[in-house]
Amino acid sequence: DTEVTQTPKHLVMGMTNKKSLKCEQHMGHRAMYWYKQKAKKPPELMFVYSYEKLSINESVPSRFSPECPNSSLLNLHLHALQPEDSALYLCASSQARGPLSYNEQFFGPGTRLTVL
Amino acid sequence: RKEVEQDPGPFNVPEGATVAFNCTYSNSASQSFFWYRQDCRKEPKLLMSVYSSGNEDGRFTAQLNRASQYISLLIRDSKLSDSATYLCVVNPLRLNSGGYQKVTFGIGTKLQVIP
Repeated sequence: DTEVTQTPKHLVMGMTNKKSLKCEQHMGHRAMYWYKQKAKKPPELMFVYSYEKLSINESVPSRFSPECPNSSLLNLHLHALQPEDSALYLCASSQARGPLSYNEQFFGPGTRLTVL
Repeated sequence: RKEVEQDPGPFNVPEGATVAFNCTYSNSASQSFFWYRQDCRKEPKLLMSVYSSGNEDGRFTAQLNRASQYISLLIRDSKLSDSATYLCVVNPLRLNSGGYQKVTFGIGTKLQVIP
């Protein structure tokens, strides 16, 4: 099973709202990723968790707060977002066998976020 | 020079044609290479990992040329359903202890197969 699930599929929120995006995988992967993708652009890395620890934060604004409650789950908490944060938010997971290995990333279907 | 470069296209090809995409990378220490396919408003899906020996999966063939630092994807007998954006993804080898990989995406090449 190479499935990564994400909820919700679509989210519309105001600039003062607090919401969370959820991601789940049951492939036994120990690396999980959050990406942001704007139209006609490639995915842009936001955060990486490895063995449930935050390993990379790509200078993401603090209005985005990631959380990895366990090895299967990844959350992204949103607060006080701006309209320019509207995008497709993708979760991915991979094995974590070291940088010399082929650790293919598998993506979830994404959450399409609109900030009003 | 960008880390990973792709021709954004679009490549408009008739059904049944053979089409090839190239992707160049700048870091000679790059270790792993992938082609992903992304349909409009969908997530990227892994199409193929690209190994040093080259690999083939049905109508799709991927090659790696380390000397010239590029990877290629060949699609034979194009189908309408092959219309998508093809993303070249490279792991430029950033040593870390966590096992994760911070890969670099190309901008993607758009393919449109025409009836």
